Amino acid sequence: EAGVTQSPTHLIKTRGQQATLRCSPISGHTSVYWYQQALGLGLQFLLWYDEGEERNRGNFPPRFSGRQFPNYSSELNVNALELEDSALYLCASRRQGAGNGYTFGSGTRLTVV
Amino acid sequence: KQEVTQIPAALSVPEGENLVLNCSFTDSAIYNLQWFRQDPGKGLTSLLLIQSSQREQTSGRLNASLDKSSGRSTLYIAASQPGDSATYLCAVGTGANNLFFGTGTRLTVIP
Repeated sequence: EAGVTQSPTHLIKTRGQQATLRCSPISGHTSVYWYQQALGLGLQFLLWYDEGEERNRGNFPPRFSGRQFPNYSSELNVNALELEDSALYLCASRRQGAGNGYTFGSGTRLTVV
Repeated sequence: KQEVTQIPAALSVPEGENLVLNCSFTDSAIYNLQWFRQDPGKGLTSLLLIQSSQREQTSGRLNASLDKSSGRSTLYIAASQPGDSATYLCAVGTGANNLFFGTGTRLTVIP
């Protein structure tokens, strides 16, 4: 079974540009979650998508947005990039159900210069 | 709001030693608790998932326990190896699909 795949592995952008990160969940998982892990900080919840809808978002500004496609893959868009957006962005997928665990991808390292 | 704390923040042990990592959480109304491993700059690898109705889970040299009433979980690693060196994170799953992460324990196993 293929795991959660994220692309690209690394991304370098200039301040003010837009970044698009992609995530493909495990087959059969309908929920996709995005987390930000800035250097030296813990994982911060960004967004949760399920069945194509945004279900919840963390305490991040609106320039962080995304969507989920009919095949349950997802993309995260970050507009008007700021230096502090530099971080490891992790995607996780999960089959809905109270007891089911989360499976994470390898992440996208975004560097804003 | 659920708060998850891990002690110690860092741990250094000689190879072969058994060790325990601790995780505590403030709200006992959880669905499950998951232990992850993270290598530097990499994603999270799931180690063990304990449901709220379970007391422990085992996988190889790893054993995780859960005491929901006291808000505690431990990860026991037997016969540690240099390849176990990583950051270990516990995460509590609650309603509304929230996953609350601890601060992590950075483990170094010295050959």
